[in-house]
Amino acid sequence: ETGVTQSPTHLIKTRGQQVTLRCSSQSGHNTVSWYQQALGQGPQFIFQYYREEENGRGNFPPRFSGLQFPNYSSELNVNALELDDSALYLCATMLAGVRTDTQYFGPGTRLTVL
Amino acid sequence: GEDVEQSLFLSVREGDSSVINCTYTDSSSTYLYWYKQEPGAGLQLLTYIFSNMDMKQDQRLTVLLNKKDKHLSLRIADTQTGDSAIYFCAERRNTGRRALTFGSGTRLQVQP
Repeated sequence: ETGVTQSPTHLIKTRGQQVTLRCSSQSGHNTVSWYQQALGQGPQFIFQYYREEENGRGNFPPRFSGLQFPNYSSELNVNALELDDSALYLCATMLAGVRTDTQYFGPGTRLTVL
Repeated sequence: GEDVEQSLFLSVREGDSSVINCTYTDSSSTYLYWYKQEPGAGLQLLTYIFSNMDMKQDQRLTVLLNKKDKHLSLRIADTQTGDSAIYFCAERRNTGRRALTFGSGTRLQVQP
């Protein structure tokens, strides 16, 4: 158990819709990253938030956006859903400044876009 | 190249040792990690190694790092059926952000 929780566990949407995924941070972890894991692939970095501001972004379009709240929980929003957005979405939290930069992952949200 | 590379599949017998290999891309990567993923689950951190180390041992797990060849390996001693899972190596590149770059994963199958 990492102490990182995500909701919902599963979600089905249709193309063109919008979705919001949520992540609750392990206590004290001030940095959250979001990853997309397509079937049979490793996770791909979407973006990272530190102290409520975006702190780096991977190769994902602007329709992928996020928020981090004062309690360090986070949301991932995806607009105009496409079929290729179907994936497992993972959030990972860590305490920035700790030497190992170890990220702890939640169980993920499986998104299916029809 | 841009990719972290791993072999796709490894099958071993229970009680044998397993060795999972990974080639990473950035010689300035500071930390390298091994994660385990069981079916339908998130990623579980197994171990990590700092780039100035050659080896790290943690109970049944041994990590070897060859910086010259950018090669990382994970050895699991006395492999058990519960070790069956997908194993991902990941590098933390020396950029301003603390993002991880993952390989595609190695599926380990342990035969009883």
